[in-house]
Formats: sequence, structure tokens, C-alpha cells
Amino acid sequence: AQSVTQPDIHITVSEGASLELRCNYSYGATPYLFWYVQSPGQGLQLLLKYFSGDTLVQGIKGFEAEFKRSQSSFNLRKPSVHWSDAAEYFCAVGAYSGAGSYQLTFGKGTKLSVIP
Amino acid sequence: NAGVTQTPKFRVLKTGQSMTLLCAQDMNHEYMYWYRQDPGMGLRLIHYSVGEGTTAKGEVPDGYNVSRLKKQNFLLGLESAAPSQTSVYFCASTPDSLRGPYEQYFGPGTRLTVT
Repeated sequence: AQSVTQPDIHITVSEGASLELRCNYSYGATPYLFWYVQSPGQGLQLLLKYFSGDTLVQGIKGFEAEFKRSQSSFNLRKPSVHWSDAAEYFCAVGAYSGAGSYQLTFGKGTKLSVIP
Repeated sequence: NAGVTQTPKFRVLKTGQSMTLLCAQDMNHEYMYWYRQDPGMGLRLIHYSVGEGTTAKGEVPDGYNVSRLKKQNFLLGLESAAPSQTSVYFCASTPDSLRGPYEQYFGPGTRLTVT
């Protein structure tokens, strides 16, 4: 079974500083990887996804993530954080089960606080 | 396109009461999912459906039932609510995933409190 670990529960950065949120996954086959963002009281919005090809993927709101198979990681980065980026971020891995169903497994999330 | 909608947005139940949460999607998606979100736990899959008339258990199915009578709707039922079911519930959908992986599209959530 697949699993996702987000080692940082809470990160605080200053506005304008760079950001990296860590994500490690465990899955035996080619992973389908996602980052979602959740603002307070809202649903989840897709930031970016990786299925295959170029290991550096660009997403919305200036975010990017790099897939590193050797490290089983899919870390999310942003060069300059804005106050509006304060939210909770979830990494997820998608996988097919033996019965042919498709599911996402989510990490427990990293809450980002931004100091003005 | 409304995407994925959830009804109601908020609900307070007393222990032992029953209720049904409705999820609707207008994207003609095959797969639909119900999750619960609790602080520090991320999202945990309750039940899912791979098509009209089908349902399957997820990671935390106990105390919940589901039905998918129409392709566009996925209902989550609590027959006898317990305080442990206090949570935020999210519905999600995705296209026919047998044709390739897709992201899941999420509804806005239902905040349920059981007293």
C-alpha cells in the first residue's frame, strides 16, 4: 500500500522568503503525485501534478515541485512567498489497486504561516 | 459548470440521530469519493464509487453507508451519529481513471458536529 509523509506539521516564513515543503512517498510502482492547497474553511485546490516526463513541474500561483525518484520525494517550492500563501498544503500519491480502482493517499498536511 | 457541490454546508446532530450528506458533480465523472478531515490526520477515505450503482469501502468506513443511484450523485449516510463522527467531510470526483491517472476535484466540504 502507498503512503505519504509530510515531515513538517507547521512552517513559518517571512513574506518574500523562499519556501520548500517536503513530501516523501512510498509506492512500489510509478507514482502519480499531487500537491493540493487548502485555505481556511475551503475545499482543496490542485496546485500541480506529476505523472511522467520532466521531473520539475510548474503549477499555479508560482509554485513548482521536483520529483526525485532516488529520494522518493516530491518537494514543493516557491521562490518568494506572499501573505496570501498562508494555508495548509497536502501532498498526495495516486495509485491503482488490484481491483482496478484508483485512489489518492494524502499526507497529514503542512500548515504554512506567513509573517508580514 | 458548478463542479462538485455538497449539501449541507454545516450541520449539528445529536448523538443517535441520522442524516444524509449529498454530493453532486456535473462533470460526468465516473469515480466519486467521500473523505473525512480531522486536525492533524489529513484526509481519510471513507467510501468510494467507481460508477453508477457501485460502492466500495475505504480506510475508515465504519458507521457510514453510501449510495450511488445516479452517476452525478453520491450520498453519504450516518445511521446513528456518534461524537467521533464530528469532522469535516469532503466529496471528490475524477474521470474514468482506467484511461489514465487524473487529479481529484473536491467539493467545498460539510462541517458536521455531533453533540
